[in-house]
This record gives sequence, C-alpha cells and structure tokens, in this order.
Amino acid sequence: GESVGLHLPTLSVQEGDNSIINCAYSNSASDYFIWYKQESGKGPQFIIDIRSNMDKRQGQRVTVLLNKTVKHLSLQIAATQPGDSAVYFCAENSGGSNYKLTFGKGTLLTVNP
Amino acid sequence: KAGVTQTPRYLIKTRGQQVTLSCSPISGHRSVSWYQQTPGQGLQFLFEYFSETQRNKGNFPGRFSGRQFSNSRSEMNVSTLELGDSALYLCASSSVGYEQYFGPGTRLTVT
Repeated sequence: GESVGLHLPTLSVQEGDNSIINCAYSNSASDYFIWYKQESGKGPQFIIDIRSNMDKRQGQRVTVLLNKTVKHLSLQIAATQPGDSAVYFCAENSGGSNYKLTFGKGTLLTVNP
Repeated sequence: KAGVTQTPRYLIKTRGQQVTLSCSPISGHRSVSWYQQTPGQGLQFLFEYFSETQRNKGNFPGRFSGRQFSNSRSEMNVSTLELGDSALYLCASSSVGYEQYFGPGTRLTVT
C-alpha cells in the first residue's frame, strides 16, 4: 500500500529551558543505545551513548537516562539553545557484537528564541 | 580527521535503471553501514560491512547490494530502481565499539 509520512512527535521549548526527549525501544536484548541529532539536509550527528549496564550518562549539556525495566530512554538537554533545533533520534544496537542500529521515529525539537 | 564522505550528494534516475553510491569512511574505521531514510519509514538499516565481509543485513530486497574494498571504502548498488527507492541513503563508519559516524548522505530521486 501507499506509505504515509511519519508524524514526528514535536517538542517546542523556550531558549534557556531544559528539554526532555523520550524514546521507547523495542528489543529487550539491545545492549547499546545512542542519541543522534539530525539537522535539515545533514546526516545524523552523534550526541551521546549509553551501554545497557548503565542507567545514566552525562555529557556536555546532555544527559541520557536508561530504564531497562520499561525499555525507555530519555535525552535531557540543559539550557536549550536555538542551535539545538533539529530532529532527535534514539537508536538501539540489536546486532550483538555486530552493528545493526534500529532507529526510533524521531522527535522534532523547536527552540523558540 | 576528515569525516565520512559520500558521493554523489544528489542523483536523479529513471525507473528500471541501476545506481551505485559510494562511501569513504573515516580513516582507520573498518566497519561501514548503510541506511535508507524516507519520510514514510524513517531510518532503516540496509547492511554492514567489516573487512570486506557483510556481517549484517536488514530486510531489503535483493535489488539492494553492497561491497567493501580493502581500503574500507564501500559502495552500494540498487538495481531495477522503483519510485519507492527515492530516499536519502546514509553511510556510517565505526572503529572499535558501537559509535557510528554518519556522512551527509546521497539524495536519490527516482522518476
């Protein structure tokens, strides 16, 4: 049948606020998770990753939380800036020792100045 | 270090034709993965190569194929193009571990 466009969840925040982007992953055996940022016309850009033996990891202005019980990931961005406006994807590695990333549908973050 | 490069950046083909896309990974990276991104299906895994061997494959028809050369550069080929093959094709390279770095993609339009 005809495919329809993905209706991306959207999040609109004010500059300076904190943003929280959520993601539900599918495979309970996945052992590695990544957040990517994709700006219009560009490839996904690595933000932060976390392994399944951790539940929290912090980077510069970003924090990833992993809840394996409910298969949930979140990305927290502190002091959101207009340059953070993009589509954010979570990805899980379901290929074991090999690479096979399964991506979520993405969330469109819009930062209002 | 130079990032992942993909050529060409834009391509227009006609239904039934075939196309070859190229990817040069980051120097020293031996794993190259390919993904298809469309508005309808999002980002989908095509295949992954390591040391010239395909290690993993996604759920795409046999019209989609790839290869990797001894210098880790990779190509993917799509034969008998269909309208639904119009997409952004992304290549990602990895060193040790799972962190993948993406190129800018090749925008393929099939008319």
